[in-house]
Amino acid sequence: EAGVAQSPRYKIIEKRQSVAFWCNPISGHATLYWYQQILGQGPKLLIQFQNNGVVDDSQLPKDRFSAERLKGVDSTLKIQPAKLEDSAVYLCASSLGGRSLFGPGTRLTVL
Amino acid sequence: QQQVKQSPQSLIVQKGGISIINCAYENTAFDYFPWYQQFPGKGPALLIAIRPDVSEKKEGRFTISFNKSAKQFSLHIMDSQPGDSATYFCAASSFGGNTGKLIFGQGTTLQVKP
Repeated sequence: EAGVAQSPRYKIIEKRQSVAFWCNPISGHATLYWYQQILGQGPKLLIQFQNNGVVDDSQLPKDRFSAERLKGVDSTLKIQPAKLEDSAVYLCASSLGGRSLFGPGTRLTVL
Repeated sequence: QQQVKQSPQSLIVQKGGISIINCAYENTAFDYFPWYQQFPGKGPALLIAIRPDVSEKKEGRFTISFNKSAKQFSLHIMDSQPGDSATYFCAASSFGGNTGKLIFGQGTTLQVKP
């Protein structure tokens, strides 16, 4: 089966700019997660979708981060405006039956 | 209470040796404990997972040992190989809470010397 797809793989922006990441989960996986992985740390959940509804966004900095999952398939995560501390790898994962499978991530550098 | 504490932070093992990574948790609602392997520039890959109704699970050279009373679990890599050099993360989640979201440890960087 095809894995979780993410794009872009790398992004460099100036602080206060906006950026968007895209994720295509594994076909048939109803649950989709966005995690933030800061260098040297474990991934931290930002938001969880079940189909196109939000299950958990308690860790999402809603003043600058937003995410959507239209039609319950693809998802986008947006940051506007970006801060220096947003530099991290943004990982998308999808799951079926509890096994979360991760995409390759998008490495964001905010200058 | 949501934390998962992982140790050691880094580990160097000779080829053929045993690598052991430990994790501890506090939330007794956790009921699923996976280990992920991550290579540089890649996303975490599911390695092996265990539920608290068993004390050990083995898949090839990888074994999870689980101690429910101590709220600890560990990953053992037998006959460690240079190709096992990667960062390993333990994680925990609560399916009883019907979220499936993973709480990750801080990671262990493993280097296997040839």
